[in-house]
Amino acid sequence: GENVEQHPSTLSVQEGDSAVIKCTYSDSASNYFPWYKQELGKRPQLIIDIRSNVGEKKDQRIAVTLNKTAKHFSLHITETQPEDSAVYFCAASSWTGANNLFFGTGTRLTVIP
Amino acid sequence: NAGVTQTPKFRILKIGQSMTLQCAQDMNHNYMYWYRQDPGMGLKLIYYSVGAGITDKGEVPNGYNVSRSTTEDFPLRLELAAPSQTSVYFCASSDAFTGELFFGEGSRLTVL
Repeated sequence: GENVEQHPSTLSVQEGDSAVIKCTYSDSASNYFPWYKQELGKRPQLIIDIRSNVGEKKDQRIAVTLNKTAKHFSLHITETQPEDSAVYFCAASSWTGANNLFFGTGTRLTVIP
Repeated sequence: NAGVTQTPKFRILKIGQSMTLQCAQDMNHNYMYWYRQDPGMGLKLIYYSVGAGITDKGEVPNGYNVSRSTTEDFPLRLELAAPSQTSVYFCASSDAFTGELFFGEGSRLTVL
């Protein structure tokens, strides 16, 4: 099956700085790469996703890049704010109908005011 | 729309007991999933369903069973609970178009 590795496990940044989280995957058949944000005690929620036919996608302060050759993808958050503090999970799947996601182990991001 | 609703939110079980976690969605999604989340381990897929009457195993199915008699409901049954099943369980659903998984609020289960 798919194996997704995520780094770093914890990340602290000053408010206004950028944060980068990196993931690698093992299965070349994977074609869908979402990022989920989970605030303390809450459910995971999708913040951005990218499909294998696209190299980069942006949505306001967040962006995701994908390198299929190297099998890695990254989340970039610019101008970080205290409300960005949460655990972020990357995931991968070979999405055809059911979307069976394989998740990374998570990155706890702390934005220091 | 309520989205995905899970019950109970918290439960303590003794070793060997059985219980069912309930999950219901009102978004008319075909696909439903059960994940477990352990500290520092991310989420792992237990079982999933592509429609009423059809279920299949995920990464970590041992010790669990599911059924899908309607589009809306996807209960997860734990038989003979073990301490290794102490975890937070999330039910989720998705449609065929966006791929987004919509999660329930989670059920925290402790087996003592």
